[in-house]
Amino acid sequence: GESVGLHLPTLSVQEGDNSIINCAYSNSASDYFIWYKQESGKGPQFIIDIRSNMDKRQGQRVTVLLNKTVKHLSLQIAATQPGDSAVYFCAEIQNNRLAFGKGNQVVVIP
Amino acid sequence: DAGVIQSPRHEVTEMGQEVTLRCKPISGHDYLFWYRQTMMRGLELLIYFNNNVPIDDSGMPEDRFSAKMPNASFSTLKIQPSEPRDSAVYFCASSLGQSSYEQYFGPGTRLTVT
Repeated sequence: GESVGLHLPTLSVQEGDNSIINCAYSNSASDYFIWYKQESGKGPQFIIDIRSNMDKRQGQRVTVLLNKTVKHLSLQIAATQPGDSAVYFCAEIQNNRLAFGKGNQVVVIP
Repeated sequence: DAGVIQSPRHEVTEMGQEVTLRCKPISGHDYLFWYRQTMMRGLELLIYFNNNVPIDDSGMPEDRFSAKMPNASFSTLKIQPSEPRDSAVYFCASSLGQSSYEQYFGPGTRLTVT
């Protein structure tokens, strides 16, 4: 698999701590958002999604929060594990297609 | 399921040569997407197909790029002639119907054009 070494905002987090990854989106009319995770050497992987009629959605160890007022999306990872080290992308729907953000790198310190 | 399969995983070619990237989507998925990932532009959608028919190719950068999907289990992305600025990682992804935004990505092909 492959990945690209982007110069990205990086969050370093101690194993076991919680992580919060933030994303600002551009289109106030967007009604659907997704978080993807890209591990080194692999393609992006779907994590969780949320529709604009919700402000919070929970998955397994992950929670996505949506603040439509300020067009802000966040992903919270509980009890961060080494396997959570990756680049995380938020994506919104623009013109019936996914538009990905630039990504945030999470580095988990054992 | 083996997931989305892409080949080759790495391709190094000289400027001016033709490059063909291949993708086998997940069986049963009716949407197929081609993306390009670069440092400068991030992850960009090039083209996507529904039931083997190209739906939106507005992301294809130039006429040098073309994509085909002759059947439900195979797609190609061709660059002819290739240029150094085409160097990137190319991902294929597939999805199913109403969950078309929950896309399953392949491992990517790293293309280097010298």
